[in-house]
Amino acid sequence: AQTVTQSQPEMSVQEAETVTLSCTYDTSESDYYLFWYKQPPSRQMILVIRQEAYKQQNATENRFSVNFQKAAKSFSLKISDSQLGDAAMYFCAYRSARGGATNKLIFGTGTLLAVQP
Amino acid sequence: NAGVMQNPRHLVRRRGQEARLRCSPMKGHSHVYWYRQLPEEGLKFMVYLQKENIIDESGMPKERFSAEFPKEGPSILRIQQVVRGDSAAYFCASSPALNQPQHFGDGTRLSIL
Repeated sequence: AQTVTQSQPEMSVQEAETVTLSCTYDTSESDYYLFWYKQPPSRQMILVIRQEAYKQQNATENRFSVNFQKAAKSFSLKISDSQLGDAAMYFCAYRSARGGATNKLIFGTGTLLAVQP
Repeated sequence: NAGVMQNPRHLVRRRGQEARLRCSPMKGHSHVYWYRQLPEEGLKFMVYLQKENIIDESGMPKERFSAEFPKEGPSILRIQQVVRGDSAAYFCASSPALNQPQHFGDGTRLSIL
């Protein structure tokens, strides 16, 4: 079974600085997707960024980028120029791309990010 | 284009009552997923449905929980004879096809007195 591990329960960053959130996962599959979701205090689940495992190039969305290391099964999220609105719980998630697999997301336990003004 | 709509936003029930949570997927989305988030935890998959069919219910408790996604109308997650441990946030997500990203609703926070 696949698992997702986020080893940092809490992180803190100064406004305008850069922070990296860690995520590792375990799978025997070769084809899958990885995601970072943001959950602010309003408790919405907002998709931040997505990575296909077959792509070597790291995904980027504005100030958010990932460092995807397939061999190490590592998928970290880098937030540049941190803003107060980035304060939230961040969840790493895995989804199989295997034919016949369901679309279910497997989530880590989350990292609570605080942004200091 | 409206997002995934869940209602109610908050639901309070007494032990032993029934809870019904509703989810209307985004327009054009025929795949619906339910997740549960216990306090201080990540989301856990419960069930995956396509119109009128349950595809994967491997995360659903065997008793008291059921889900449906009828041809017409929203998907319903039903919890019978609720207990304190059912208190959680229940999220619904939808996607237009199997390998497309899931879009989440705002969740229903269920509190059991």
